[in-house]
Amino acid sequence: SAVISQKPSRDICQRGTSLTIQCQVDSQVTMMFWYRQQPGQSLTLIATANQGSEATYESGFVIDKFPISRPNLTFSTLTVSNMSPEDSSIYLCSVRGSASSYNEQFFGPGTRLTVL
Amino acid sequence: QKEVEQNSGPLSVPEGAIASLNCTYSDRGSQSFFWYRQYSGKSPELIMSIYSNGDKEDGRFTAQLNKASQYVSLLIRDSQPSDSATYLCAVNVKGPGYSTLTFGKGTMLLVSP
Repeated sequence: SAVISQKPSRDICQRGTSLTIQCQVDSQVTMMFWYRQQPGQSLTLIATANQGSEATYESGFVIDKFPISRPNLTFSTLTVSNMSPEDSSIYLCSVRGSASSYNEQFFGPGTRLTVL
Repeated sequence: QKEVEQNSGPLSVPEGAIASLNCTYSDRGSQSFFWYRQYSGKSPELIMSIYSNGDKEDGRFTAQLNKASQYVSLLIRDSQPSDSATYLCAVNVKGPGYSTLTFGKGTMLLVSP
């Protein structure tokens, strides 16, 4: 399966600031997704990162709050803007459509964000 | 709203027993089904995928799919304490242009030595 890395692995931020999370894959993939997992909860899809075009956001998530970039087939960023304590969560990058495993979806190690 | 339902548990089994984890889904059009294992503080790890009715075995794991009943299960044979984790069922839901995964809330499995 594809090897996925995320930076930073964790961060503590002040409210009102922004944090950009990077996701790097070691091979080209068709699809890249961003999820959020709040404490004790399951995974919630934030958006699908589309290469060369605007991301597709799920209900309840907007571009102004969670701008996403995907400049190529191996890299994406998620920014959490104007943070509040409610944004404290684990943010996960996920990929699908690698050459070795087309239908299966894999997750990066996650970024643990705490907003004070 | 496409839903995936799992019993939250915890499901407690003794070491060496068979653990049975169940999942139901609402979207009859779903074609792909996955089980992820998530250890506390870690990200989800794909352990099984199944696409057609019946059983699929991989080592100590067996996934079972019944599309008519909209039911998918995971059996873990000879359960080990290291299997203690939360198991997430995920179902592929078709959208405009591409599909996305919908996750259940997960079942916590505790295997006691």
